[in-house]
Amino acid sequence: EDKVVQSPLSLVVHEGDTVTLNCSYEVTNFRSLLWYKQEKKAPTFLFMLTSSGIEKKSGRLSSILDKKELFSILNITATQTGDSAIYLCAVIPAGKSTFGDGTTLTVKP
Amino acid sequence: GAVVSQHPSRVICKSGTSVKIECRSLDFQATTMFWYRQFPKQSLMLMATSNEGSKATYEQGVEKDKFLINHASLTLSTLTVTSAHPEDSSFYICSARVLAGGLPYNEQFFGPGTRLTVL
Repeated sequence: EDKVVQSPLSLVVHEGDTVTLNCSYEVTNFRSLLWYKQEKKAPTFLFMLTSSGIEKKSGRLSSILDKKELFSILNITATQTGDSAIYLCAVIPAGKSTFGDGTTLTVKP
Repeated sequence: GAVVSQHPSRVICKSGTSVKIECRSLDFQATTMFWYRQFPKQSLMLMATSNEGSKATYEQGVEKDKFLINHASLTLSTLTVTSAHPEDSSFYICSARVLAGGLPYNEQFFGPGTRLTVL
């Protein structure tokens, strides 16, 4: 059975801190790994990773995939209160997606 | 990015009634749409995978006669919760997997979700 594990489950930091969120997976027929940010409503897409070692960046967010060790990290630098959300990692094999339980990030002023 | 809409965004109904939720991909085609349910403080739980022109594939434990899915076109899938009960109250989210339209294949875009409350 496909499995996605995110850590930590919850994280509280202060504005300006840098955070690293982890996502490890065990899937058959891996195709891609996606990161999402979920605030009050449905998730919004952040990154899609398909190849190892290629960092994807968007502003203060970046992510990288290691297909050998089967994990991905999502980095957020200089955190702001608006970064407070649940960050979801999903893995897409040949069939359906499997989501992790998410990491709840709280950024305090 | 691609836009997925859901309608309605919120619905309150009486126990025993049926509720239909629509999911549309607005600017791209999607052969595959997914329906998720999310309870408070929990992650997304996949209910079913909807393929255009064929029967939906339901996850274990999801009653297909209760959650009817129709994927009539490349841009529209509907989820009907039949004979809804209070335990069906949840946040229902659809997502669409990109087929074409100049966007990366295999990427999933989510609708804004539908909050269902059954009294």
